[in-house]
Amino acid sequence: QLVLTQSPSASASLGASVKLTCTLSSGHSSYAIAWHQQQPEKGPRYLMKLNSDGSHSKGEGIPDRFSGSSSGAERYLTISSLQSEDEADYYCQTWGTGIWLFGGGTKLTVL
Amino acid sequence: EVQLLESGGGLVQPGGSLRLSCAASGFTFSSYAMSWVRQAPGKGLEWVSAISGGDGSTYYADSVKGRFTISRDNSKNTVYLQMNSLRVEDTAVYYCATAPTVTTEVHYWGQGTLVTVSS
Repeated sequence: QLVLTQSPSASASLGASVKLTCTLSSGHSSYAIAWHQQQPEKGPRYLMKLNSDGSHSKGEGIPDRFSGSSSGAERYLTISSLQSEDEADYYCQTWGTGIWLFGGGTKLTVL
Repeated sequence: EVQLLESGGGLVQPGGSLRLSCAASGFTFSSYAMSWVRQAPGKGLEWVSAISGGDGSTYYADSVKGRFTISRDNSKNTVYLQMNSLRVEDTAVYYCATAPTVTTEVHYWGQGTLVTVSS
């Protein structure tokens, strides 16, 4: 069964870097995912598509501070030079035939 | 600029019906897959339904199958979600989203419309 697992919360200091993780369930390590950001009281925003080989393509206007990488079944979102507006919920998404799936989301707190 | 504008949300009693609309602009609507994703209060994102841009094939989450119907009118650049037999657990903000196909990532999101199912 295709499942995406994310840690519920993460925190990092202003100006620092943070790495968020999305884990694909067993047998699905070749799947690509997408990362989405949801700031408080707003709709989600597409950040990037991340392939299993670590290559990624970003959405329009997404700063270079956001990058992605992969290792096995793990997909990472790294945010460098953290800013206050990066405090948000981050969701990973994947897809199969006739189905979309989201991870449970990670709430990022910028200290 | 891509814009997705949802409408039609509101308060409805359990067992009732509601139709959501999403008006799209800024891209070739007929070529893109459209989807509805919902978010219950304080919870994460849950995919609800999708419709392809080509042959109009439709897909549903098990939680809404048989109760919800997605459709599109390419002449009006609008996608709809007909929701019947609504339950309290359907209460959520419903987001419209678009993707190149039904088997790829969401590229754009709307701002959402709130559906409250309560007696």
